[in-house]
Amino acid sequence: GENVEQHPSTLSVQEGDSAVIKCTYSDSASNYFPWYKQELGKRPQLIIDIRSNVGEKKDQRIAVTLNKTAKHFSLHITETQPEDSAVYFCAANHGNQFYFGTGTSLTVIP
Amino acid sequence: NAGVMQNPRHLVRRRGQEARLRCSPMKGHSHVYWYRQLPEEGLKFMVYLQKENIIDESGMPKERFSAEFPKEGPSILRIQQVVRGDSAAYFCASSPGDSSYNEQFFGPGTRLTVL
Repeated sequence: GENVEQHPSTLSVQEGDSAVIKCTYSDSASNYFPWYKQELGKRPQLIIDIRSNVGEKKDQRIAVTLNKTAKHFSLHITETQPEDSAVYFCAANHGNQFYFGTGTSLTVIP
Repeated sequence: NAGVMQNPRHLVRRRGQEARLRCSPMKGHSHVYWYRQLPEEGLKFMVYLQKENIIDESGMPKERFSAEFPKEGPSILRIQQVVRGDSAAYFCASSPGDSSYNEQFFGPGTRLTVL
């Protein structure tokens, strides 16, 4: 089955700096890679996703890159703000099976 | 368009009782997933269902746990004879299931506390 690894587990950045979270996956058949943001006590919210037929996608301050050959994908947050503080999860999808990373706790220091 | 609904939001049970967690998927979604999340941990897959079918229950404990998604009504996650270790947040998510790319949307979760 698929194995998704996520790094780092915790990340602290100064407000205004960039944050990068990386995930690797093992199943080359995985073709959809969503990222979720979970604030304390709340549900995971889909913030951006990328499909296997593209290498990069951007939505305002958030971008995701995918390297299919190396089987890794990354979340980039630029100009971080305190409200970006949350736990971020990556996932890999093949068919109807979703496999989640273990999460990255991001703290943005004002 | 209402999102994924879960109820109850909070559930308190004593050891040995039964817990029933309900999930109504988004309108038009026919696939439901259940996940368990312990405090400060990730999402652990439990079971994946389509209407009237369990597709993958590889993440669900073999005893005391069961899930269903009937033709009519919400999906139910049932935990019999609960123990303290069952205390966790249980999230369900739904997806359309009708394309090769399936966005998955989460409900607000049910926080189960076993006394």
